[in-house]
Amino acid sequence: EVKLVESGGGLVQPGGSLRLSCAASGFTFSNYWMSWVRQAPGKGLEWVANINKDGSASNYVDSVKGRFTTSRDNTQNSLYLQMNSLRAEDTAVYYCARAAAENTVDYWGQGTLVTVSS
Amino acid sequence: VVMTQSPLSLPVTLGQPASISCRSSQSLVYYDGNTYLSWFQQRPGQSPRRLFYKISDRDSGVPDRFSGSGSGTDFTLKISRVEAEDVGVYYCMQGTHWPWTFGQGTKVEIK
Repeated sequence: EVKLVESGGGLVQPGGSLRLSCAASGFTFSNYWMSWVRQAPGKGLEWVANINKDGSASNYVDSVKGRFTTSRDNTQNSLYLQMNSLRAEDTAVYYCARAAAENTVDYWGQGTLVTVSS
Repeated sequence: VVMTQSPLSLPVTLGQPASISCRSSQSLVYYDGNTYLSWFQQRPGQSPRRLFYKISDRDSGVPDRFSGSGSGTDFTLKISRVEAEDVGVYYCMQGTHWPWTFGQGTKVEIK
């Protein structure tokens, strides 16, 4: 069974940093691109970032470029999202998702809430 | 690429059909000939779940009362007979152009 479990969310002040983690199991992690998607409270879904299978390449939505960095450790079956210079508008549930070959995602974690507020 | 869904709210009587439209601001046909349009369902309090990919390829476990169709820039998700478990928000998503983008979501509720 594919399982994705995010952790690391919480309350952080504007300008602060946070690192999210995603533990993957039930599939060969190193064979898949991975994604981060976020959802602001009561709002829709927004793609944040993708990372390729070996972690050598990643893509970001413009609103987080230069502030967020995604990485992975295939020996630990783990995905990470380092978030710096956080803003109030980054407040959201952050989902880790497995990217499928069909330019989509097929499995989602349960999400972790990040709240940026003073 | 902007994805525009309509309607944004869809009250439906149990057992009746429902239809959600999704339009993209650019063609979603990729250079490889595929069209990377997916549909997701998000039930209240849950993570999204994929229903369809490449317009009409159904995910395992998705009831056949759901169907996906369309081409180019116009796509549709249909539910032939709405059941109580179908309540939630439905999103279309394009994976042809980076950044991947979602529609605003359509909230399906029972009348």
